[in-house]
Amino acid sequence: EIVLTQSPGTLSLSPGERATLSCRASQSVSSTYLAWYQQKPGQAPRLLIYDASTRATGIPDRFRGSGSGTDFTLTITRLEPEDFAVYYCQQYGASLSFGGGTKVQIK
Amino acid sequence: QLQESGPGLVKPSETLSLTCTVSGAAISSRRAYWGWVRQPPGKALQWIASIYYYTNRVYYHPSLQSRVTMSLDTSNNQFSLKLNSVTAADTAVYYCVRPTSVTSGFWYFDLWGRGTPITVSS
Repeated sequence: EIVLTQSPGTLSLSPGERATLSCRASQSVSSTYLAWYQQKPGQAPRLLIYDASTRATGIPDRFRGSGSGTDFTLTITRLEPEDFAVYYCQQYGASLSFGGGTKVQIK
Repeated sequence: QLQESGPGLVKPSETLSLTCTVSGAAISSRRAYWGWVRQPPGKALQWIASIYYYTNRVYYHPSLQSRVTMSLDTSNNQFSLKLNSVTAADTAVYYCVRPTSVTSGFWYFDLWGRGTPITVSS
């Protein structure tokens, strides 16, 4: 099983700042089959990005996914108040696994 | 939309039964996959199972496949999950999901239910 390691565990930033979240895979993820989800307290996860860089329907363009192989990044170019949440990556290139999450909190 | 229903509390060693009711789409759509994901308290997400309507083939997480069964109920536009011999480690929020398949044979999840909390305790 491919293990996904997300870093940092917690990111403390202010609204308007740029957030950079990392997801590193223990093996290469084929065909950039990597997704990102946002989860707010008490809510279900919401798909943000799939295929490493394609935004899901209705997702603002401040959310940008990039990367390939074993290193992937989710960038939120300018944090809005509603963006403070936990973010998970998930690979679906070989079986299926999720990362442990990165919490983006208000500084 | 997806809506889970479940018992809330299950005793150890018993069987957990969950149902997901689908609205706004037919589970019998030719290319439709359906699935379950869970999240233990304070922990990461874990995929449990997915089913493909067209072939009725079911895919299970290797660590759970000996205890889990997933099925479709097209007459009620629902799908269900049964997990037997539950322990405290099965305590989690259980989400029903709609997987989107890719050429690898696996999925990302583009639609989620709100989740139903399940506690395993005597």
